[in-house]
Amino acid sequence: GAVVSQHPSRVICKSGTSVKIECRSLDFQATTMFWYRQFPKQSLMLMATSNEGSKATYEQGVEKDKFLINHASLTLSTLTVTSAHPEDSSFYICSAQGGPNQPQHFGDGTRLSIL
Amino acid sequence: SQQGEEDPQALSIQEGENATMNCSYKTSINNLQWYRQNSGRGLVHLILIRSNEREKHSGRLRVTLDTSKKSSSLLITASRAADTASYFCATPGKNSGGSNYKLTFGKGTLLTVNP
Repeated sequence: GAVVSQHPSRVICKSGTSVKIECRSLDFQATTMFWYRQFPKQSLMLMATSNEGSKATYEQGVEKDKFLINHASLTLSTLTVTSAHPEDSSFYICSAQGGPNQPQHFGDGTRLSIL
Repeated sequence: SQQGEEDPQALSIQEGENATMNCSYKTSINNLQWYRQNSGRGLVHLILIRSNEREKHSGRLRVTLDTSKKSSSLLITASRAADTASYFCATPGKNSGGSNYKLTFGKGTLLTVNP
């Protein structure tokens, strides 16, 4: 149980392209989803918290207009990297949580490479 | 040091040996969690230990928590080559909006189990 599907797993695209990443909880309802960014050999850094039906809460230093988050249902959240540039290249991971103080269940991540 | 720092940063052992990883944190917590990440993949939740627990077992995993020292350890017994991964401890805290609990991850321990 508690499966989170993240798609796509890898994206390679040109600078200036907008990229959408989907995060789905397959067998449970996720009241909260989290979006992280991870640089090579580094830890995960929280970008934003996404609650179903409300605006995402962004961490300090994360541009909300750059990283658009939509949490339209209890099983789906999307992250759109708008007008991506090479410095946006990274590993993006989502997680979903069924309730407060419940473990977070992670997707397999999306490797984004901007040329 | 950051909340949730693991040591050692890297650990290399032979199959069958035990692996011990440590985590220190700074603020008060109500639980501490350990996650595993295979290279290029998402995180897998291993175990959650609550602040009123001192030790918890799950299969070959044993986690201890010492709230007086603000530290935790993860022991993997009888290690296998398939245990090769990065291991992160994570502590909950409020996100920037103050309404959700985010996880703050340490930098992780890269465990290599040699066959």
